[in-house]
Amino acid sequence: AQKITQTQPGMFVQEKEAVTLDCTYDTSDQSYGLFWYKQPSSGEMIFLIYQGSYDEQNATEGRYSLNFQKARKSANLVISASQLGDSAMYFCAMREGLYNFNKFYFGSGTKLNVKP
Amino acid sequence: DAMVIQNPRYQVTQFGKPVTLSCSQTLNHNVMYWYQQKSSQAPKLLFHYYDKDFNNEADTPDNFQSRRPNTSFCFLDIRSPGLGDAAMYLCATSPRNSGRPETQYFGPGTRLLVL
Repeated sequence: AQKITQTQPGMFVQEKEAVTLDCTYDTSDQSYGLFWYKQPSSGEMIFLIYQGSYDEQNATEGRYSLNFQKARKSANLVISASQLGDSAMYFCAMREGLYNFNKFYFGSGTKLNVKP
Repeated sequence: DAMVIQNPRYQVTQFGKPVTLSCSQTLNHNVMYWYQQKSSQAPKLLFHYYDKDFNNEADTPDNFQSRRPNTSFCFLDIRSPGLGDAAMYLCATSPRNSGRPETQYFGPGTRLLVL
């Protein structure tokens, strides 16, 4: 089974509107971390936001928030007030356990296009 | 600023000609990763080091090798590049265990073109 599933290959959003990028995950571990990365056309992977499995509050970082629904195993990224510079590929990822040598599992990504 | 550096940013090589990509970090992180990423796909982990302990993914071709001479540097060697090895190669690092999962810090990547 896929560890991380992103079901939206591409999305369009109007500038200044909010957009939700979907991510579901599969793990039997109690401890895990969920991450979102942005990858512009230049190729660099930019870390956006992190949610720990034990965190009770949804993570927020500026215009980014993570809608964490543990029972449903979903970790959707919400971008508020979209900007043209938000056009990029977005990857959801998971690391199981507490050890930093454990591998990351990446989803297949969602390509977001922000329209002026 | 502490960072992950990859050189070169663009590399052109010939079919079958060995090529080495380099990664350096000033973060003093224990873990270093090499990923291969093809167009519009997720990064695919090739291998990673925890300190000097090398961990190869089961499906990484033998054509790909890696060296980590010290904490700061890590190299990806492609012994005989094929056309299918043309991709973006991303280096990433993670700090030592902190009791919670930490993000990976990525370098800007090296785009490899095989002629």
